[in-house]
Amino acid sequence: QKEVEQDPGPLSVPEGAIVSLNCTYSNSAFQYFMWYRQYSRKGPELLMYTYSSGNKEDGRFTAQVDKSSKYISLFIRDSQPSDSATYLCAMTQGGSYIPTFGRGTSLIVHP
Amino acid sequence: NAGVTQTPKFRVLKTGQSMTLLCAQDMNHEYMYWYRQDPGMGLRLIHYSVGEGTTAKGEVPDGYNVSRLKKQNFLLGLESAAPSQTSVYFCASRDQTGMNQPQHFGDGTRLSIL
Repeated sequence: QKEVEQDPGPLSVPEGAIVSLNCTYSNSAFQYFMWYRQYSRKGPELLMYTYSSGNKEDGRFTAQVDKSSKYISLFIRDSQPSDSATYLCAMTQGGSYIPTFGRGTSLIVHP
Repeated sequence: NAGVTQTPKFRVLKTGQSMTLLCAQDMNHEYMYWYRQDPGMGLRLIHYSVGEGTTAKGEVPDGYNVSRLKKQNFLLGLESAAPSQTSVYFCASRDQTGMNQPQHFGDGTRLSIL
């Protein structure tokens, strides 16, 4: 079992839907949690960054961390076709500079 | 500001050939990384560097070598290419200050080995 599990999808939703993307992990030492967005034929770009448990909101995006359940989520409100991409979760332990990545979830938002 | 630049963007090699992938960053980052990304496998760390003149092995280092002679450049070498090394290769860099620094990625090199 990988340290970080992420459903590869694809997840197909209509424009305007609320999207929920999730990762589970097994290492309780993870403290920093990130979501990257990767468009086709491009490199990953950082979307959201959270430390420890709680929520963080940035525009239409909300990142949620539940350390007790070892579960993180990314919510996208009012999804747009331009949100169609692969979303990678990543996490690091305190003091580490090497993140552990999930395999990514492919999201398709159709008009 | 170019960020992280990878060259070449595409390359086709024959089995047994050698080549070097170049990564250059203009953000004065200490940490640099090489990953490969394969369908269903996610990003896997090949080698990384925590500063000029240093390198270390990642998760899948076999068949690859790296060098970090200059802070801004991180080179990935394939001495004798094999079809199993067909992949998309990503370079990333990261600021060394603090715990909450994200990685910045290039747009990848697509490598096919026949």
